[in-house]
Amino acid sequence: QVQLVESGGGVVQSGRSLRLSCAPSGFIFSNYAMHWVRQAPGRGLEWVAVIWYDGSNKYYADSVKGRFTISRDNSKNTLYLQMNSLRAEDTAVYYCARDPSDNGDWIDFWGQGTLVTVSS
Amino acid sequence: QSVLTQPPSASGTPGQRVTLSCSGSNSNIGSNYVYWYQQLPGTAPKLLIYRSDQRPSGVPDRFSGSKSGTSASLAISGLRSEDEADYYCAAWDDSLSGYLFGTGTKVTVL
Repeated sequence: QVQLVESGGGVVQSGRSLRLSCAPSGFIFSNYAMHWVRQAPGRGLEWVAVIWYDGSNKYYADSVKGRFTISRDNSKNTLYLQMNSLRAEDTAVYYCARDPSDNGDWIDFWGQGTLVTVSS
Repeated sequence: QSVLTQPPSASGTPGQRVTLSCSGSNSNIGSNYVYWYQQLPGTAPKLLIYRSDQRPSGVPDRFSGSKSGTSASLAISGLRSEDEADYYCAAWDDSLSGYLFGTGTKVTVL
């Protein structure tokens, strides 16, 4: 069955960096676009970034543009989110999510998430 | 409008029909499909409706979606206690080049 397992979350000081990973299984990873979505404690969902199946296109939310980088290694079956210059407002559960479309514009399956806490 | 607006809460008694709304603009709902997600307490979101009115396999037919212009709706008929959750609409936004989520509606079963 389809599974997405995020890792790399934890407590980090404001201004530092962190890299999240997502390990998919149960489907052909290289055929799918992938997203990162976050949810601050007690708040709603906020889309972060998307990367096309072959890495040729990437789009970011304005709130993370220039600080976060989404990438993938199809040979290692892994999705990444490099987060630099972290701020307190980046504190959230970060979900890795699968996109079945041809142009990266919707999500059909979510991982369980990894918590990132940015301390000041 | 760079946000999809949903009422913060909705409620109903078991067996009732509840309709959730989602309001957007021409750059998102007006020109793209709408998706609905259900998030049970303490869990990851789950796809409920795709391409505005399609149900994935395994989703009960009590859930139905529709879209008109720059607005969309999710109807839950025969409300059950296990439907108590947060519901989010979503759509791609052509102006932002990003996936936009609604503000979310918390459904309570009385």
